[in-house]
Amino acid sequence: DTEVTQTPKHLVMGMTNKKSLKCEQHMGHRAMYWYKQKAKKPPELMFVYSYEKLSINESVPSRFSPECPNSSLLNLHLHALQPEDSALYLCASSQWTGEGAEAFFGQGTRLTVV
Amino acid sequence: AQTVTQSQPEMSVQEAETVTLSCTYDTSENNYYLFWYKQPPSRQMILVIRQEAYKQQNATENRFSVNFQKAAKSFSLKISDSQLGDTAMYFCALNNQGGKLIFGQGTELSVKP
Repeated sequence: DTEVTQTPKHLVMGMTNKKSLKCEQHMGHRAMYWYKQKAKKPPELMFVYSYEKLSINESVPSRFSPECPNSSLLNLHLHALQPEDSALYLCASSQWTGEGAEAFFGQGTRLTVV
Repeated sequence: AQTVTQSQPEMSVQEAETVTLSCTYDTSENNYYLFWYKQPPSRQMILVIRQEAYKQQNATENRFSVNFQKAAKSFSLKISDSQLGDTAMYFCALNNQGGKLIFGQGTELSVKP
């Protein structure tokens, strides 16, 4: 199984809503990532978890709150988002965070904030 | 600072022909890895090929090969016998310790029948 599964695939939320994005992998990977991607732009790293601990936060606003309940699951909790937060949110995993580790990506959640 | 530059926002190629996508990068690290990722309209990023900086030999994966010029900090991707399914956004990326992937701006490749 080389899949990273993200749910939901599409999400529309209002600026006062609270929602969560979910990501799951069963490859035994110990590193998991959240990326944000705007149309026709490269992914931008948001967070990195290594062995279930947050190792990188790329100065992401606090309205995005990551959580890693166990080594297979990664959540991104969303609250009071702005329309400019509308984007494709990609989850990825890799065996470790060292150089050369191949990142496996999910299909993403297309988020629209209205 | 580490940077990755892709100077071709869009390219097109006829089916069965060969196309080369350009990528240059900058890093002060001695050991690093370079990747080409493909993102088709289905949105999922897929690893195409990987190159270790300390290996002289250029990586190949079936129809995909790279021309890695370490001194020039260049890492181009050659796609031979292009297929319609190769139509996608292609991102060049640099990776070193910490797990951070630094992506170029991408090249949108269209394969025409």
